[in-house]
Amino acid sequence: EVQLVESGGGLEQPGGSLRLSCTASGFTFNIYAMTWVRQAPGKGLEWVSSVGGGGRTTYYADSVKGRFIISRDNSKKTVYLQMNSLRAEDTAIYYCGKSSHDYVWGPDRHFDSWGQGTLVTVSS
Amino acid sequence: DIVLTQSPGTLSLSPGERATLSCRASQSVSSNSLAWYQQKPGQAPRLLIYAASSRATGIPDRFSGSGSGTDFTLTVSRLEPEDFAVYYCQQYGTSPPVTFGPGTKVDMK
Repeated sequence: EVQLVESGGGLEQPGGSLRLSCTASGFTFNIYAMTWVRQAPGKGLEWVSSVGGGGRTTYYADSVKGRFIISRDNSKKTVYLQMNSLRAEDTAIYYCGKSSHDYVWGPDRHFDSWGQGTLVTVSS
Repeated sequence: DIVLTQSPGTLSLSPGERATLSCRASQSVSSNSLAWYQQKPGQAPRLLIYAASSRATGIPDRFSGSGSGTDFTLTVSRLEPEDFAVYYCQQYGTSPPVTFGPGTKVDMK
Protein backbone atom coordinates (compact mmCIF):
# COMPACT_ATOMS: atom_id res chain seq x y z
CA GLU A 1 0.00 0.00 0.00
CA VAL A 2 1.32 3.41 -0.99
CA GLN A 3 1.79 5.79 1.94
CA LEU A 4 2.95 9.40 1.86
CA VAL A 5 3.52 11.21 5.16
CA GLU A 6 4.19 14.94 5.20
CA SER A 7 5.82 16.86 8.03
CA GLY A 8 7.44 20.21 8.72
CA GLY A 9 4.47 22.54 8.62
CA GLY A 10 3.78 25.15 11.26
CA LEU A 11 3.53 28.85 11.98
CA GLU A 12 6.15 31.11 10.43
CA GLN A 13 6.49 34.87 10.11
CA PRO A 14 6.42 36.64 6.75
CA GLY A 15 9.88 36.53 5.21
CA GLY A 16 10.78 33.37 7.10
CA SER A 17 11.58 29.86 5.91
CA LEU A 18 10.22 26.35 6.40
CA ARG A 19 11.20 22.96 5.01
CA LEU A 20 8.52 20.40 4.34
CA SER A 21 9.27 16.70 4.04
CA CYS A 22 7.28 13.85 2.54
CA THR A 23 8.37 10.29 3.28
CA ALA A 24 7.11 7.54 1.03
CA SER A 25 6.57 3.81 1.38
CA GLY A 26 4.89 1.01 -0.49
CA PHE A 27 6.31 1.67 -3.96
CA THR A 28 9.62 1.98 -5.81
CA PHE A 29 10.23 5.62 -4.98
CA ASN A 30 12.98 6.51 -7.47
CA ILE A 31 10.98 5.70 -10.61
CA TYR A 32 8.16 8.17 -9.98
CA ALA A 33 8.00 11.94 -10.15
CA MET A 34 6.75 13.63 -7.00
CA THR A 35 4.73 16.81 -6.58
CA TRP A 36 3.59 19.36 -4.03
CA VAL A 37 0.05 20.76 -4.30
CA ARG A 38 -1.40 23.28 -1.86
CA GLN A 39 -4.86 24.33 -0.77
CA ALA A 40 -5.46 27.67 0.92
CA PRO A 41 -8.18 27.66 3.61
CA GLY A 42 -11.58 27.20 1.98
CA LYS A 43 -10.08 27.33 -1.52
CA GLY A 44 -9.26 24.96 -4.36
CA LEU A 45 -6.14 23.04 -5.31
CA GLU A 46 -3.00 24.74 -6.66
CA TRP A 47 -0.02 22.93 -8.14
CA VAL A 48 3.22 24.17 -6.53
CA SER A 49 6.18 22.13 -7.76
CA SER A 50 7.27 18.79 -9.24
CA VAL A 51 10.51 16.83 -9.40
CA GLY A 52 11.39 13.95 -11.71
CA GLY A 53 12.23 10.49 -10.44
CA GLY A 54 15.97 11.04 -10.69
CA GLY A 55 15.80 14.42 -9.00
CA ARG A 56 17.51 16.30 -11.82
CA THR A 57 14.45 17.98 -13.32
CA THR A 58 12.38 20.43 -11.28
CA TYR A 59 9.43 22.66 -12.11
CA TYR A 60 7.62 25.44 -10.25
CA ALA A 61 4.44 27.45 -10.38
CA ASP A 62 5.06 31.12 -11.16
CA SER A 63 3.69 32.03 -7.70
CA VAL A 64 6.61 30.28 -5.94
CA LYS A 65 9.40 30.41 -8.52
CA GLY A 66 12.59 31.85 -7.05
CA ARG A 67 11.37 31.31 -3.47
CA PHE A 68 10.70 27.56 -3.16
CA ILE A 69 13.07 24.68 -3.94
CA ILE A 70 11.96 21.09 -4.44
CA SER A 71 14.42 18.22 -4.00
CA ARG A 72 14.44 14.53 -3.23
CA ASP A 73 16.67 11.98 -1.54
CA ASN A 74 15.91 8.62 -3.12
CA SER A 75 17.97 6.77 -0.53
CA LYS A 76 15.62 8.10 2.14
CA LYS A 77 12.48 7.88 -0.04
CA THR A 78 11.79 11.49 0.83
CA VAL A 79 10.88 14.60 -1.13
CA TYR A 80 11.42 18.07 0.29
CA LEU A 81 10.05 21.55 -0.27
CA GLN A 82 12.29 24.35 0.98
CA MET A 83 10.09 27.41 1.35
CA ASN A 84 11.87 30.77 1.61
CA SER A 85 10.67 34.39 1.71
CA LEU A 86 7.29 33.20 2.92
CA ARG A 87 4.25 35.39 2.34
CA ALA A 88 0.79 35.43 3.91
CA GLU A 89 -0.61 34.04 0.65
CA ASP A 90 1.51 30.90 1.09
CA THR A 91 -0.77 29.90 3.98
CA ALA A 92 -2.25 26.55 2.99
CA ILE A 93 -2.33 22.83 3.52
CA TYR A 94 0.55 21.37 1.49
CA TYR A 95 -0.06 17.93 0.01
CA CYS A 96 2.58 15.61 -1.34
CA GLY A 97 1.52 13.66 -4.41
CA LYS A 98 2.94 10.69 -6.31
CA SER A 99 2.91 11.02 -10.06
CA SER A 100 1.96 8.17 -12.35
CA HIS A 101 5.27 8.31 -14.23
CA ASP A 102 9.02 8.94 -13.88
CA TYR A 103 9.19 12.03 -16.10
CA VAL A 104 7.12 14.94 -14.90
CA TRP A 105 5.55 15.88 -18.25
CA GLY A 106 3.94 13.71 -20.90
CA PRO A 107 0.67 11.91 -21.76
CA ASP A 108 -1.44 10.10 -19.17
CA ARG A 109 0.04 11.99 -16.23
CA HIS A 110 -1.93 12.22 -13.00
CA PHE A 111 -1.42 12.07 -9.23
CA ASP A 112 -2.44 8.61 -8.11
CA SER A 113 -1.64 8.88 -4.40
CA TRP A 114 -1.66 11.76 -1.93
CA GLY A 115 -0.51 12.34 1.64
CA GLN A 116 -2.78 13.77 4.29
CA GLY A 117 -1.12 17.18 4.12
CA THR A 118 0.71 19.52 6.45
CA LEU A 119 -0.56 22.99 7.39
CA VAL A 120 1.64 26.02 6.81
CA THR A 121 0.54 29.30 8.35
CA VAL A 122 2.40 32.51 7.53
CA SER A 123 1.47 35.28 9.92
CA SER A 124 3.07 37.82 12.22
CA ASP B 1 -1.88 28.70 -19.21
CA ILE B 2 -4.96 26.53 -19.65
CA VAL B 3 -7.84 27.69 -17.44
CA LEU B 4 -10.42 25.14 -16.36
CA THR B 5 -14.00 26.17 -15.52
CA GLN B 6 -16.34 23.81 -13.67
CA SER B 7 -20.11 23.95 -13.54
CA PRO B 8 -22.28 24.05 -11.64
CA GLY B 9 -20.54 25.42 -8.58
CA THR B 10 -22.87 23.43 -6.34
CA LEU B 11 -25.11 20.51 -7.22
CA SER B 12 -27.84 19.59 -4.73
CA LEU B 13 -29.08 16.05 -5.22
CA SER B 14 -30.49 13.11 -3.32
CA PRO B 15 -28.95 9.65 -2.89
CA GLY B 16 -29.79 7.48 -5.87
CA GLU B 17 -29.90 10.40 -8.30
CA ARG B 18 -27.52 10.93 -11.23
CA ALA B 19 -24.86 13.64 -11.00
CA THR B 20 -23.42 15.26 -14.10
CA LEU B 21 -20.44 17.58 -13.59
CA SER B 22 -18.89 19.69 -16.33
CA CYS B 23 -15.31 20.85 -16.88
CA ARG B 24 -14.50 23.26 -19.71
CA ALA B 25 -10.97 24.21 -20.79
CA SER B 26 -9.92 27.58 -22.21
CA GLN B 27 -8.16 25.77 -25.06
CA SER B 28 -8.17 22.26 -26.40
CA VAL B 29 -6.76 19.66 -24.01
CA SER B 30 -5.51 16.25 -24.95
CA SER B 31 -7.90 13.65 -23.60
CA ASN B 32 -5.04 11.80 -21.94
CA SER B 33 -4.25 14.94 -19.91
CA LEU B 34 -7.60 15.31 -18.10
CA ALA B 35 -8.23 13.85 -14.65
CA TRP B 36 -10.91 14.07 -11.95
CA TYR B 37 -10.39 14.03 -8.18
CA GLN B 38 -12.79 13.75 -5.23
CA GLN B 39 -12.15 15.54 -1.96
CA LYS B 40 -14.11 15.13 1.26
CA PRO B 41 -13.84 17.59 4.19
CA GLY B 42 -10.59 17.22 6.09
CA GLN B 43 -9.22 14.68 3.61
CA ALA B 44 -6.71 14.66 0.81
CA PRO B 45 -7.93 14.53 -2.78
CA ARG B 46 -8.46 11.08 -4.30
CA LEU B 47 -7.93 10.21 -7.95
CA LEU B 48 -11.16 9.03 -9.62
CA ILE B 49 -10.61 9.28 -13.38
CA TYR B 50 -7.52 9.82 -15.54
CA ALA B 51 -7.05 10.18 -19.29
CA ALA B 52 -10.60 11.57 -19.37
CA SER B 53 -12.33 8.20 -19.07
CA SER B 54 -10.14 5.63 -17.30
CA ARG B 55 -11.20 4.75 -13.75
CA ALA B 56 -8.44 4.67 -11.15
CA THR B 57 -7.80 1.52 -9.15
CA GLY B 58 -10.61 0.73 -6.73
CA ILE B 59 -13.04 3.32 -8.07
CA PRO B 60 -16.62 2.00 -8.40
CA ASP B 61 -18.09 1.78 -11.88
CA ARG B 62 -20.84 4.26 -11.01
CA PHE B 63 -18.16 6.89 -11.73
CA SER B 64 -17.48 7.57 -15.40
CA GLY B 65 -15.68 10.24 -17.38
CA SER B 66 -16.11 11.40 -20.95
CA GLY B 67 -15.32 14.24 -23.29
CA SER B 68 -12.70 15.64 -25.59
CA GLY B 69 -11.26 18.92 -26.81
CA THR B 70 -12.50 21.59 -24.40
CA ASP B 71 -15.51 19.86 -22.82
CA PHE B 72 -15.32 17.04 -20.31
CA THR B 73 -17.89 15.42 -18.03
CA LEU B 74 -17.82 13.38 -14.84
CA THR B 75 -20.96 11.34 -14.24
CA VAL B 76 -21.98 9.54 -11.08
CA SER B 77 -24.77 7.22 -12.18
CA ARG B 78 -26.43 6.73 -8.79
CA LEU B 79 -25.21 8.78 -5.85
CA GLU B 80 -24.27 6.92 -2.71
CA PRO B 81 -24.09 8.76 0.66
CA GLU B 82 -20.27 8.65 0.51
CA ASP B 83 -20.21 10.45 -2.86
CA PHE B 84 -21.21 13.84 -1.43
CA ALA B 85 -17.97 15.77 -1.76
CA VAL B 86 -16.12 18.33 -3.87
CA TYR B 87 -14.92 17.25 -7.31
CA TYR B 88 -12.01 18.84 -9.16
CA CYS B 89 -10.93 18.44 -12.75
CA GLN B 90 -7.24 18.77 -13.61
CA GLN B 91 -5.24 19.14 -16.78
CA TYR B 92 -1.69 17.80 -16.69
CA GLY B 93 -0.07 17.87 -20.09
CA THR B 94 3.32 17.94 -21.70
CA SER B 95 4.53 21.24 -20.18
CA PRO B 96 3.91 23.29 -17.02
CA PRO B 97 1.79 24.30 -15.28
CA VAL B 98 -0.63 21.70 -13.99
CA THR B 99 -3.99 23.41 -13.51
CA PHE B 100 -7.11 22.53 -11.54
CA GLY B 101 -10.67 23.71 -11.94
CA PRO B 102 -12.33 25.55 -9.04
CA GLY B 103 -14.38 22.51 -8.06
CA THR B 104 -18.02 21.41 -7.96
CA LYS B 105 -19.57 20.67 -4.60
CA VAL B 106 -22.13 17.87 -4.62
CA ASP B 107 -24.29 18.21 -1.55
CA MET B 108 -27.32 16.44 -0.24
CA LYS B 109 -30.69 17.96 -1.02
